[in-house]
Amino acid sequence: DTAVSQTPKYLVTQMGNDKSIKCEQNLGHDTMYWYKQDSKKFLKIMFSYNNKELIINETVPNRFSPKSPDKAHLNLHINSLELGDSAVYFCASSQVRKASSTGELFFGEGSRLTVL
Amino acid sequence: RKEVEQDPGPFNVPEGATVAFNCTYSNSASQSFFWYRQDCRKEPKLLMSVYSSGNEDGRFTAQLNRASQYISLLIRDSKLSDSATYLCVVNGGSGDKLTFGTGTRLAVRP
Repeated sequence: DTAVSQTPKYLVTQMGNDKSIKCEQNLGHDTMYWYKQDSKKFLKIMFSYNNKELIINETVPNRFSPKSPDKAHLNLHINSLELGDSAVYFCASSQVRKASSTGELFFGEGSRLTVL
Repeated sequence: RKEVEQDPGPFNVPEGATVAFNCTYSNSASQSFFWYRQDCRKEPKLLMSVYSSGNEDGRFTAQLNRASQYISLLIRDSKLSDSATYLCVVNGGSGDKLTFGTGTRLAVRP
C-alpha cells in the first residue's frame, strides 16, 4: 500500500481551466501539506493542514484552494490555470504537527501539471 | 539572499570517491536541519537529520556549523546508487515550516 498517494500523476490542460489534485495518506498522520516544485527544482511549501485545520498558508494566489475533508485527505483545487502553474505538486504528511522538529515528511509521488 | 542555498552541481565523481556538499542558511534562529534525497522524477525522502555535534549513518556524515550557518553532507565510498539530488532542509526558526534548498545533483560514474 502506498503511504501517501496522489491522483492524477500527470495532468495536461489548457490555460483558464480548473483542475483538482487529490491526496490521501494511510499513515495515520495528523498533518498534511502541499508543496510545489518548479522547473528549477525549487520545492516550496504552499499549505499545511493539521487535523483539517489550516495552519500554514504561504503567499499563494487565491486561485489555489486546499480542502481537507478529514485528516487523511488533502485536496488541491486550482482555478483559472496559468502557464506559470506548470510544476510538480507534492502532497506530504507528517506524524507530528511540528515536522520542523523531526524533519520527517512523507511525500507522495507528485502530480506533474502542464498548462498549455 | 535565499533562505537556504546550495551549489546545484552537478558533482561528477567515480565510484569509491568521497564527496562533500555544503549548504548555507540565512535564518540564525533555525533550530532543525536535515538532508533529503530526491531521485530523478521521484519524491524527496529523508536521508538524515543533522545534529549539533555531527552525526554519521553508514557512509554518510552530516555536520552543522552554527557560527557560519552552514551544514554539510559527506559521502564516503560513493556508489552508483548514490546518484541523486541532495536537498538541504532547514526549519524557519518559527512556526512549522521547513524550507528546502534547490538541491545539489550528484552523478556517480562507474
